[in-house]
Amino acid sequence: DAGVIQSPRHEVTEMGQEVTLRCKPISGHDYLFWYRQTMMRGLELLIYFNNNVPIDDSGMPEDRFSAKMPNASFSTLKIQPSEPRDSAVYFCASSFTTTSGRYGYTFGSGTRLTVV
Amino acid sequence: GENVGLHLPTLSVQEGDNSIINCAYSNSASDYFIWYKQESGKGPQFIIDIRSNMDKRQGQRVTVLLNKTVKHLSLQIAATQPGDSAVYFCAENGGGGADGLTFGKGTHLIIQP
Repeated sequence: DAGVIQSPRHEVTEMGQEVTLRCKPISGHDYLFWYRQTMMRGLELLIYFNNNVPIDDSGMPEDRFSAKMPNASFSTLKIQPSEPRDSAVYFCASSFTTTSGRYGYTFGSGTRLTVV
Repeated sequence: GENVGLHLPTLSVQEGDNSIINCAYSNSASDYFIWYKQESGKGPQFIIDIRSNMDKRQGQRVTVLLNKTVKHLSLQIAATQPGDSAVYFCAENGGGGADGLTFGKGTHLIIQP
């Protein structure tokens, strides 16, 4: 398996522009997570999905952030309009569930977002 | 990496020595714990996990210890190698229906030649 695939790897955009980050989870994983990593706050959970359904978006910082998962193999995180304080590395992760619990939390390589 | 900087505790060990990285967690309901390794410019990489019904688990050169009484987790790395240099995070799954992982701040492990 190729693992969790994120694109783009780097994104530089101007303040006010729309940014879309993409993620392909590991096939067969039923959970998908979006995290943000900054020097000041570390790794923060933004939102997660179970079987393509958003379960908890309490970590989404503002209404400017939205996420979708139209099918089991694709998710997007959108920021509109973007602001300089959104600059961070955004990670997608996926996991699977068995009768004994959740396993295999695997992270992608991340998207480094810079808003200027 | 994003978390290498003044805010992270740093552990410096000699190549070949054993290292122990510690982590305190706060949620007594957490039932699943993972150690991740993050190298500069990369995503967190799974190292080893442990469930709350265990107090020790071993992998290749790594051992995780869980002390639920004091809510403490540790990662032991045997015979450290230069490639072990990275930031190490502990993560907990909060239990009680919480599905996401909560991460600690991380420890920067430096291997001295």
